[in-house]
Amino acid sequence: GAGVSQSPSNKVTEKGKDVELRCDPISGHTALYWYRQRLGQGLEFLIYFQGNSAPDKSGLPSDRFSAERTGESVSTLTIQRTQQEDSAVYLCASSLVPSSNEQYFGPGTRLTVT
Amino acid sequence: GQSLEQPSEVTAVEGAIVQINCTYQTSGFYGLSWYQQHDGGAPTFLSYNGLDGLEETGRFSSFLSRSDSYGYLLLQELQMKDSASYFCAVRDRGSTLGRLYFGRGTQLTVWP
Repeated sequence: GAGVSQSPSNKVTEKGKDVELRCDPISGHTALYWYRQRLGQGLEFLIYFQGNSAPDKSGLPSDRFSAERTGESVSTLTIQRTQQEDSAVYLCASSLVPSSNEQYFGPGTRLTVT
Repeated sequence: GQSLEQPSEVTAVEGAIVQINCTYQTSGFYGLSWYQQHDGGAPTFLSYNGLDGLEETGRFSSFLSRSDSYGYLLLQELQMKDSASYFCAVRDRGSTLGRLYFGRGTQLTVWP
């Protein structure tokens, strides 16, 4: 079946603009995760969803970041008033349930803030 | 809090064996996972250890010692395609169920 997909694959935006990043998880996966990866760094947890609810938002770096999930499927990560330090690859992953040992990752969205 | 330590770089030649270590600190521990990420690619799951001992999957093996808060990934018969970053990750009983904490990654370079 289809894997996790993300769009856009690349996004260049000007400082101060808002951006929306989309994630389509594997069908039937109830858990969905967002991570940020700066160049040469590890994966920084942002938020995860169980169904349409977010039990853990503690990784969101500021109130400029928000995320939602609808229909227990697609998720959108929104960054308002982007800053240069927001430049990174944003990775989405999904798993059957939150306790699953394996997470399936999408290809990521590379965000560049100029 | 949680912290994971792994070497930043490892190099080896084709056909060799390499071990990537990971030490961790958590407030409670569920298990240790390993992920592989090629340059520009998505991380892919390699293995999980919930109990002490060795798990083997083909050329790759992963080991865990909970008493030592230590694990490693062992790659045998190295191939050029194994050049990638390898991340260890832990799930912490003190955090929400779905949250994984990742190390900074080990860049493996395999030379011909």
